[in-house]
Amino acid sequence: AQKVTQAQTEISVVEKEDVTLDCVYETRDTTYYLFWYKQPPSGELVFLIRRNSFDEQNEISGRYSWNFQKSTSSFNFTITASQVVDSAVYFCALSESANFGNEKLTFGTGTRLTIIP
Amino acid sequence: DGGITQSPKYLFRKEGQNVTLSCEQNLNHDAMYWYRQDPGQGLRLIYYSQIVNDFQKGDIAEGYSVSREKKESFPLTVTSAQKNPTAFYLCASSMGLEHGELFFGEGSRLTVL
Repeated sequence: AQKVTQAQTEISVVEKEDVTLDCVYETRDTTYYLFWYKQPPSGELVFLIRRNSFDEQNEISGRYSWNFQKSTSSFNFTITASQVVDSAVYFCALSESANFGNEKLTFGTGTRLTIIP
Repeated sequence: DGGITQSPKYLFRKEGQNVTLSCEQNLNHDAMYWYRQDPGQGLRLIYYSQIVNDFQKGDIAEGYSVSREKKESFPLTVTSAQKNPTAFYLCASSMGLEHGELFFGEGSRLTVL
């Protein structure tokens, strides 16, 4: 069965510091997709990134970067020069290839990130 | 603006009462989903629908029911059979493409008194 572990329940950092959110996954599939979503205080989850299992290249988008390592089954998320607006709960999620669409998306338990001004 | 609208945002109900949560989308998405979020447990799938007049149970469907009579609407009824209904409920939609991103509403917080 697929599983996503976000061991960090809460993280607090001072503004402008870098912070990394960890995500470790388990799956028996060779083809799968990994996601990160951000949940601000307003409640809705916002899509950040999707990565398939065949693409291990690191991704950078502005201050955000993602490190995908199949050898350690990890898909970590780093925010560089953090800002107060980055304060939110962040979810990592996994979808296996056997699923149509992503209705079988398995979410981690989330990491609450607080950026201290 | 295109998006997903959930209502009500907050809802209180007495034990033994059914309650229906509304979810409407104007994104022209085929697929819609209901998730439940509890503290420390992440999101769990209740029901999903890939097309009008069709829906499937998710991981925690017991005590819930849905309908999909229109493409843009996917209401969720929390019945009295749901043992622990107090939670935050999130509706989402997607284009139905394989492994595509989900678009979420702002959620409905249900409290059973």
